[in-house]
Amino acid sequence: DGGITQSPKYLFRKEGQNVTLSCEQNLNHDAMYWYRQDPGQGLRLIYYSQIVNDFQKGDIAEGYSVSREKKESFPLTVTSAQKNPTAFYLCASSRSGTGDQPQHFGDGTRLSIL
Amino acid sequence: SQELEQSPQSLIVQEGKNLTINCTSSKTLYGLYWYKQKYGEGLIFLMMLQKGGEEKSHEKITAKLDEKKQQSSLHITASQPSHAGIYLCGAVPIHGMKTSYDKVIFGPGTSLSVIP
Repeated sequence: DGGITQSPKYLFRKEGQNVTLSCEQNLNHDAMYWYRQDPGQGLRLIYYSQIVNDFQKGDIAEGYSVSREKKESFPLTVTSAQKNPTAFYLCASSRSGTGDQPQHFGDGTRLSIL
Repeated sequence: SQELEQSPQSLIVQEGKNLTINCTSSKTLYGLYWYKQKYGEGLIFLMMLQKGGEEKSHEKITAKLDEKKQQSSLHITASQPSHAGIYLCGAVPIHGMKTSYDKVIFGPGTSLSVIP
């Protein structure tokens, strides 16, 4: 079955450490997204990519980095510059970046600080 | 800036009861999505509405978009414990011209509990 796979489900980060969250999709979607979800704040866009080898900053990109070397993969790195990384991270994809194509989500990665 | 409001913030209903969740925008929308999320899991796409006055149904869930395309309601008939979760609306603010990227903004969610 087609879908979006995020790994790991739980991740712990030590102070000063970079960690990478994986997101893979086999839906043949062009667009991919990373969101951060905090209690009571809804989803906030970190980065998005409309096509391979291109990505754009979202609303809260500081302290994060991404790459889009393959159509099916859009990993997110949470760097040590992100001072409050504890959150639930969601990856999504859509056929294109236009508003008539709904986004489909993975099951999320919960990141915590040790 | 564009924001979406959802009401109520949380809802507890007895199994078998009907309920309605609302999503409101201060501006006209290009499109609106409804998602369901179980705690600690991803969002499941339910429905997309684009036309003013449009109504769609899936099993016991019906969503409507008003004629002005600023408000949507999600109605669940004869609720079941399986309906429990967080319901989020997501919307694309209308643009003068359709661009290659339309940012989706999300509401804060409505938490639904169904008591057997």
